[in-house]
Amino acid sequence: DGGITQSPKYLFRKEGQNVTLSCEQNLNHDAMYWYRQDPGQGLRLIYYSQIVNDFQKGDIAEGYSVSREKKESFPLTVTSAQKNPTAFYLCASSSRGSYQPQHFGDGTRLSIL
Amino acid sequence: AQSVTQLDSHVSVSEGTPVLLRCNYSSSYSPSLFWYVQHPNKGLQLLLKYTSAATLVKGINGFEAEFKKSETSFHLTKPSAHMSDAAEYFCVVSERTGGFKTIFGAGTRLFVKA
Repeated sequence: DGGITQSPKYLFRKEGQNVTLSCEQNLNHDAMYWYRQDPGQGLRLIYYSQIVNDFQKGDIAEGYSVSREKKESFPLTVTSAQKNPTAFYLCASSSRGSYQPQHFGDGTRLSIL
Repeated sequence: AQSVTQLDSHVSVSEGTPVLLRCNYSSSYSPSLFWYVQHPNKGLQLLLKYTSAATLVKGINGFEAEFKKSETSFHLTKPSAHMSDAAEYFCVVSERTGGFKTIFGAGTRLFVKA
């Protein structure tokens, strides 16, 4: 079955710690995205990548970093500079072109210890 | 400028009655429009999409939406609600330009009463 796998499902971060969220897709999609979802709000774009070895900042990139070394993988690191990291993080992928529908993983819920 | 407004943050219906979730958009270009559904602690699932073909779009699970350019609306409807329809619904607009211009609405939570 093709799809997007996010891991872990739940993650806890200590103060001053960096954590990395995994996102893997086997849909052969060129584009991948990271979103942050807070209660009662829509999705906000953190980073996106339209091709391997290239990525762009979204609306709320501060305190986050990404890499795109392989087509299938787009990990997100939440750094200690992100002062309010508690949220639900969603990864998505699509064929290239902003008008293409996106396919989503089941998310990672990050909490602060 | 591009934007999307979901007019209701919450909608409550009884099982077996019609569902209407409202979405207005603004776009400088010919937009693509989408509706997604999200169940608790899950990712978003595509319900349907409009990409300048037929203005009445049919999606999964009996949902449909009508693109009305004159009203800049893309409302989601279903003739008869089922308990399993209870979820959060997002209207999304994308512009067919270079780069990435996709905007998510704030979401509408649908409650279905037995």
